[in-house]
Amino acid sequence: DTAVSQTPKYLVTQMGNDKSIKCEQNLGHDTMYWYKQDSKKFLKIMFSYNNKELIINETVPNRFSPKSPDKAHLNLHINSLELGDSAVYFCASSQPGRATNEKLFFGSGTQLSVL
Amino acid sequence: GESVGLHLPTLSVQEGDNSIINCAYSNSASDYFIWYKQESGKGPQFIIDIRSNMDKRQGQRVTVLLNKTVKHLSLQIAATQPGDSAVYFCAENIHNFNKFYFGSGTKLNVKP
Repeated sequence: DTAVSQTPKYLVTQMGNDKSIKCEQNLGHDTMYWYKQDSKKFLKIMFSYNNKELIINETVPNRFSPKSPDKAHLNLHINSLELGDSAVYFCASSQPGRATNEKLFFGSGTQLSVL
Repeated sequence: GESVGLHLPTLSVQEGDNSIINCAYSNSASDYFIWYKQESGKGPQFIIDIRSNMDKRQGQRVTVLLNKTVKHLSLQIAATQPGDSAVYFCAENIHNFNKFYFGSGTKLNVKP
């Protein structure tokens, strides 16, 4: 069973389109995240949700809109895609406050290519 | 061999040698640190963690050293194997604050 699963794995689209990436975790964690990894492998946090509530928004353009229908799901919708949005997007989850589960568990990533 | 994790440098080691990957973290208030391994086409995977009340922690073939005075973290891999080839990241966190900051990563290349 995959702990954090995200779909699709690859997403190729034209500039100006709107696309969504879905993420689900079966670890029972309260907190979920979206991270962006650029071409130099730098990982940067975008959003964090705790039990469906947005708690971190790292000055991401408002073309990016996360949605958490329940604490096991965190989706990312991107409007009006731009060339600079091309990256690998990782979903992650954690359970802050429980000593053994504070670490982040990552999905396998969605490689977004905007043409 | 040793490497400092800036701008994705590459550390090349011979199979069977020991590897040392270094990381400088930024926030003196950070109290929890993790090393992650990322293989090509996959998400980062947890290797080992350490809290700020410790200066050393050992796992299976891996050791993490923490020097809070100079804000430095290192990962030592004993008897490096081809399967250890990956990009390694350190991450820092302030307890109960839901945000990890990642270092820029070091690519480890193990030559058979």
